[in-house]
Amino acid sequence: EPEVTQTPSHQVTQMGQEVILRCVPISNHLYFYWYRQILGQKVEFLVSFYNNEISEKSEIFDDQFSVERPDGSNFTLKIRSTKLEDSAMYFCASSGPGTGGDSGANVLTFGAGSRLTVL
Amino acid sequence: AQSVTQPDIHITVSEGASLELRCNYSYGATPYLFWYVQSPGQGLQLLLKYFSGDTLVQGIKGFEAEFKRSQSSFNLRKPSVHWSDAAEYFCAVGAVYQGGKLIFGQGTELSVKP
Repeated sequence: EPEVTQTPSHQVTQMGQEVILRCVPISNHLYFYWYRQILGQKVEFLVSFYNNEISEKSEIFDDQFSVERPDGSNFTLKIRSTKLEDSAMYFCASSGPGTGGDSGANVLTFGAGSRLTVL
Repeated sequence: AQSVTQPDIHITVSEGASLELRCNYSYGATPYLFWYVQSPGQGLQLLLKYFSGDTLVQGIKGFEAEFKRSQSSFNLRKPSVHWSDAAEYFCAVGAVYQGGKLIFGQGTELSVKP
C-alpha cells in the first residue's frame, strides 16, 4: 500500500536554529499538508499546498514557517528560527487526485510523523 | 466555531467486549467526517469516512461509525475488541471547500484488558 514517508523521525535542535522536515508524499497525489501535534494537545492544521503554492494556512503558520516542493517528489517544512513552543510531532499528509465530493482529494494519508524537540 | 469533541480521554475495555467511542462536532457546513487511529510510533491511519449517503459506514479492522445529523455525532463502534486495537483514536471533520483542512478531536486512548 502506498505510504507517506517522513524524515527524520526525531530531531533535537537548539532554540534559534533552522530545521527542515522532509516528506515524500504518495506519488500520484496532488495535495499536500502539514499538521502538528503538541504533546497532550489536538492535531492542528498548519498548511495546505497545491499546484506549487500554498492553498490555505492557519494562524500558527507565521513567517517563521515555509513549505516547498523542490523537486516534484519531496515536500518540506522549514522552520527558520525554532522556538521552545515549536516542539511537537509534525505530520505530513497528501491526498488526491480528484476534485470535490467523495474524491481522493478529501481523503488524507498521513505519514508517521517527525518529532521535533527544541532545547 | 468549528470544533470536534471526544468526551472520553481514556477508555479501557476487555478483549472481546464491544466498544463505542464518542465524537460530537460543531460545523457550519455539511461536514465530511473521519476516524483515524494512531498506534505508538505510527502515523494516523484512516479507519473510515463519511461523505454522504448511508449514515452507517463500514471501515477497516471491523470498525463502523454512524452519522447522526440531529445529534451532531459520529460515534465509532466495534462489536468485539481485539488486543491489537489498543491505540489512540481521533475523530476529524472537514469540508470539500476547505480542501484537507481537518479539525481533529482531542483523541481517545483505548486500552484493552486481556
